[in-house]
Amino acid sequence: DTGVSQDPRHKITKRGQNVTFRCDPISEHNRLYWYRQTLGQGPEFLTYFQNEAQLEKSRLLSDRFSAERPKGSFSTLEIQRTEQGDSAMYLCASSLDRTGYTFGSGTRLTVV
Amino acid sequence: QKEVEQDPGPLSVPEGAIVSLNCTYSNSAFQYFMWYRQYSRKGPELLMYTYSSGNKEDGRFTAQVDKSSKYISLFIRDSQPSDSATYLCAMENEKLTFGTGTRLTIIP
Repeated sequence: DTGVSQDPRHKITKRGQNVTFRCDPISEHNRLYWYRQTLGQGPEFLTYFQNEAQLEKSRLLSDRFSAERPKGSFSTLEIQRTEQGDSAMYLCASSLDRTGYTFGSGTRLTVV
Repeated sequence: QKEVEQDPGPLSVPEGAIVSLNCTYSNSAFQYFMWYRQYSRKGPELLMYTYSSGNKEDGRFTAQVDKSSKYISLFIRDSQPSDSATYLCAMENEKLTFGTGTRLTIIP
């Protein structure tokens, strides 16, 4: 296993379109996290799963955002009706314990 | 007020210098303290983590935590140009809360 994998690496979409990102965590990790990072800022927490259960969602996660982790394996993050303010790097991380958070390389979203 | 405060820099130092990076926090519930390094257009990479107050050393890197002052530091000795990156502090309480990141440049 080579780490956390995210797809696509870069997505350009028109305002109002829906987009979906995928994250494949390290196989033995039971926790999976989504973060959003804008230029010059640290990553901001969006949501996390323990196995297939979504345990916490940030207030940053508006109704246009939805995340799933079917069967506790890979996860998807969907953004509906994208806005220019959604342009950011979306990072996925997985962990087995409270110290080993491993991040993927991220999906860079550009809304035009 | 943000839960984690970090000076965004940028910080430029000559090769071989000692670098000091710092963060303060306000949430006493944070239990683990981490430092991540992030290169441009890449995900953060874990450098070190600490749990209790005190120092932890790993090669040229030393992480320091003072829970009574809610202050953490990362020291880099004998800095190298390859250390040029953004350094993020992160605090853990069931999830990570990050600082803004400090952009560091080591000048050859």
